[in-house]
Amino acid sequence: SYVLTQPPSVSVSPGKTARITCGGNKIGGRSVHWYQQKPGQAPLLVIYYDSERPSGIPERFAGSNSGNTATLTISRAEAGDEADYYCQLWDGSTDRYVFGSGTKVTVL
Amino acid sequence: QVQLVESGGGLVKPGGSLRLSCAASGFTFSDYYMSWIRQAPGKGLEWISSITRLSDTSYADSVKGRFTISRDDAKNSVFLQMDSLRVDDTAVYYCARISWGEVRWFDPWGQGTLVTVSS
Repeated sequence: SYVLTQPPSVSVSPGKTARITCGGNKIGGRSVHWYQQKPGQAPLLVIYYDSERPSGIPERFAGSNSGNTATLTISRAEAGDEADYYCQLWDGSTDRYVFGSGTKVTVL
Repeated sequence: QVQLVESGGGLVKPGGSLRLSCAASGFTFSDYYMSWIRQAPGKGLEWISSITRLSDTSYADSVKGRFTISRDDAKNSVFLQMDSLRVDDTAVYYCARISWGEVRWFDPWGQGTLVTVSS
């Protein structure tokens, strides 16, 4: 089965840029989506189709995907961006939905 | 607005059964695939089951043969029948709408319902 690998944690200073990676075999040939989950809340879609932002998601959130790594970039990080972030894709060959293990972003 | 509301969670003994419901509103429910995703305490997200518009189903290996997903378009609802529950099924269970097309993501999600399996 397809595996998505994320770093357990990323730290960023307020106003700086955080980059969260999601590794997978030839992931650049697939479409990756990203979710933000704050404590006690349901996940929220922040990026779909590698780099598209749903309405209401700030432009500070951006996505890219190439080779064996997809990346979620948070620019001008704010305290409110502290959350767990998960990448996800759909494996059409097996009809399975795969999540990465999640990355905890700390803004300090 | 688009909304999903789960219900039916609770405390159940190992080997027991539980039926979760997810009521949808704000969109044409019959047009969409739906899914259940769970999150064990302190752990990550795990997809467990999905159902198409025509009620074709798919399951994660961890629940296949024990859980059954179904839908009732007249009631704008999707269900998860959970049998032979185990302690490691303890989790918050979320329902989510699946995007259209050949690239699929989950949006929106419900608020979740907690299932605790314990003796």
